[in-house]
This record gives sequence, C-alpha cells and structure tokens, in this order.
Amino acid sequence: DVKVTQSSRYLVKRTGEKVFLECVQDMDHENMFWYRQDPGLGLRLIYFSYDVKMKEKGDIPEGYSVSREKKERFSLILESASTNQTSMYLCASSLPQGGYTEAFFGQGTRLTVV
Amino acid sequence: GESVGLHLPTLSVQEGDNSIINCAYSNSASDYFIWYKQESGKGPQFIIDIRSNMDKRQGQRVTVLLNKTVKHLSLQIAATQPGDSAVYFCAEKTGANSKLTFGKGITLSVRP
Repeated sequence: DVKVTQSSRYLVKRTGEKVFLECVQDMDHENMFWYRQDPGLGLRLIYFSYDVKMKEKGDIPEGYSVSREKKERFSLILESASTNQTSMYLCASSLPQGGYTEAFFGQGTRLTVV
Repeated sequence: GESVGLHLPTLSVQEGDNSIINCAYSNSASDYFIWYKQESGKGPQFIIDIRSNMDKRQGQRVTVLLNKTVKHLSLQIAATQPGDSAVYFCAEKTGANSKLTFGKGITLSVRP
C-alpha cells in the first residue's frame, strides 16, 4: 500500500516563527504536492514538485516555500508564520504520466498559529 | 477565472437510498475528473475518475457521469451506507503534470 506520512498531526506555533512541515512517501513517486484545506474553500494547491530539486508554484504560494532534496521527501516551509496560515495542510504524491494517476494523500497536519 | 465548484454544501440521505453529488467545472481543457472522499480526521481518498472523452464510468456502488456540454460532473452512490458519510470533493486535472484543482467539498450525511 502507498503510504504518505506527514510528520505531525497537530502543531501550534507562534506568529513569526519559521515552521517546517514534513512529508514522506514510500512509493517512489515523482510528483508531490502541498495543499491547504479551509472550510468552504476546499483544497488549494500551494506548491508542487515533479522531480528532485524541482518545484512549481501552485495557486497560493505566497508566504510559503518548499524543499525537495530527496525523491521521497517534500517539505513545506512557512518562513514567518502568520495567523492567516492557520489551516489543515495536506501532502500528496502521484506518479507522473501523461494521463491522470491517482494522488495519494497523507492524513494532514492541523497547524494553529497564535 | 477557471474554477471547480459544488452546487450544495450538504446532502442528507436515508440509509439505503441512492445519493447524487453534483459538481460544476469551468475549464474545458481539463482531461480528467476525479472524485475524492474525505472521512473525518483523514486525508482525501480516491473514489473514481473519468477521462474527458467518456460520459460514464462505473465502479463498485459508484457511478460518475460527465456532461461536457454543460460542464457538469456527478457522483452517484447506490444504496448509501453509514460508512459513506464523509466530505466529497470533485477535482479536475489540466495539463501533463497531474496538478489537480479541487472543488469546495460537500458533506454527505447518511440517516439511519
């Protein structure tokens, strides 16, 4: 079974802190994604990566950066956490193909910025 | 702008009845449409997908219908069970990199 593991289920951070959210997948997937999920807004793509050291901005990249040093790990970085970044963060991975391949999600990290 | 959206925020159905969850999309260039189910405390889980050159696809107890004329996608669940209670998201894929755009989600509540 594909497994996407996010390092924390719950995090509480202070405004201005640098925050790292870690995601690891064990299926050798090339594509990895970070989404945030907010009530009434669904899932919105922050960043994605289709190869090691490659990254592309999603729909809402402001205030975030990412790192993909190894194929299995994709990190989301909040350079200076703000209260409006309080949200559920979801990591996903998939194989790269011309057509669609199923994206597998982690269980999510609920981040609260105080 | 391009968007994927859902018509209703919540849907309540009687156990054993059929459920129909609807979704509108606006990007005519999307080539795949996917339904995900998210149970409380978990990440979204793939249910079924459909290519843009198809009108209908069936899975186990689920059917997805695609109407490209009106840019409408629906998920039908037969004989709805309590375990079907969850938030359902439609998503569309545009381009070769498997980037997905999700709708806002609809909550399905199954009454015993």
